This record gives sequence, C-alpha cells and structure tokens, in this order.
Amino acid sequence: NAGVMQNPRHLVRRRGQEARLRCSPMKGHSHVYWYRQLPEEGLKFMVYLQKENIIDESGMPKERFSAEFPKEGPSILRIQQVVRGDSAAYFCASSPVAPPNTEAFFGQGTRLTVV
Amino acid sequence: EDKVVQSPLSLVVHEGDTVTLNCSYEVTNFRSLLWYKQEKKAPTFLFMLTSSGIEKKSGRLSSILDKKELFSILNITATQTGDSAVYLCAVSGNKLVFGAGTILRVKS
Repeated sequence: NAGVMQNPRHLVRRRGQEARLRCSPMKGHSHVYWYRQLPEEGLKFMVYLQKENIIDESGMPKERFSAEFPKEGPSILRIQQVVRGDSAAYFCASSPVAPPNTEAFFGQGTRLTVV
Repeated sequence: EDKVVQSPLSLVVHEGDTVTLNCSYEVTNFRSLLWYKQEKKAPTFLFMLTSSGIEKKSGRLSSILDKKELFSILNITATQTGDSAVYLCAVSGNKLVFGAGTILRVKS
C-alpha cells in the first residue's frame, strides 16, 4: 500500500504562470487536506476535501487558488498567476474517514519556487 | 477561529536532557489532539489523544491531554541527536488545524 504520493516534488514557475500540484491519497482514503508551509513555520490549513466535495476551504486565498478532488484521479491544488509570495512547501494529507477516528498521513510535499 | 499555540518556539538541549513541549488550543467541536514529528520532509505521526489524563507512551516519548485546561504536553526523556526535528501539534475539530511547531535541536 503506497503512501500519500505528491508530484512533482519540486516545481519552478515564473511569475504569472500556473502551478498544478497533485496529490494521490493512500488507497481507500477519501479525505484529503492541503497545507502550506513557509520556511521555519508550521503547517497552515488551506482546504479539506472529500471525494468530489469541498468540505472546508476557509484557509484558501480568495483569488487565484482552487482545489478539487474528482471521483477518479488525484486531488489537484491549482494556483493561477503565481507570485513570489506563493513560494512554499505544499503538503497533502489523507485519511480514510473524517477526524477524529484516525490520524492523517502526509505526502512528501511539493516545493514551489516562483522566480 | 480555531487556534493552536505551541511553546516554546525553539529549544536547544544536550543529549540526555529531558524536554517538555507544550500545546494549547481553542477549537470548535474538539475531537482529538495529534502530535507529529517533522524532519525536513513529511510530518510523521506520533500520538493521537482523545481522552483527558490518559498518558500515551512510545519509547522515550510520552504525551498527555488536559481537556479541561485545553492543553497537551509532549515529553521526551534521555534526548538523542536523532530527536532533533520540528514537533507539530494539531487539533481535530471541524478540520485539522496545526500549530506553528517547536523546533528542537539536540546537541551531542
């Protein structure tokens, strides 16, 4: 059973381009969370999705950021028209059921650098 | 707004020392508190606590939750250089919210 898979591991984008970050949850997991981490800081919640539904997007910036978790395929975090301040590590976590009955398992993260 | 506060922000100790990391929280519809260890990559799960006063233990690490005072502590005894990491506390309410973490550095 593979763990949570994120790709790419490293992504470099020029200002104004689009960034697409992918997260394949563990097999059997239907709950996905996205977090952002700046250097020397903790994980900041962005969005919580269940298959085909956004449950909580209170941590997502109102513009340029979107997330989806389709019935088939990975969850996608999309950042349009990237700016330097979007440079960060983006982590995805998955769980088989909603909290609190289980912990969330993390992927290795995608490090986005905007140049 | 849900809030998780960890202290201290960073800590430097010598091998063999005992450390206590703190996590306090304010969250709607509290369900559980989780501790993770992060070493330059994905956080790895340590403990999940749901009940007050019951200590969870794994080797040199232990943790306890106080739901009345809304905090948890993570203890590490006989620290080793391999314990150097960021320790993250997360609280599960309507979503999983993380604190900023405590950076622990263990010097040999």
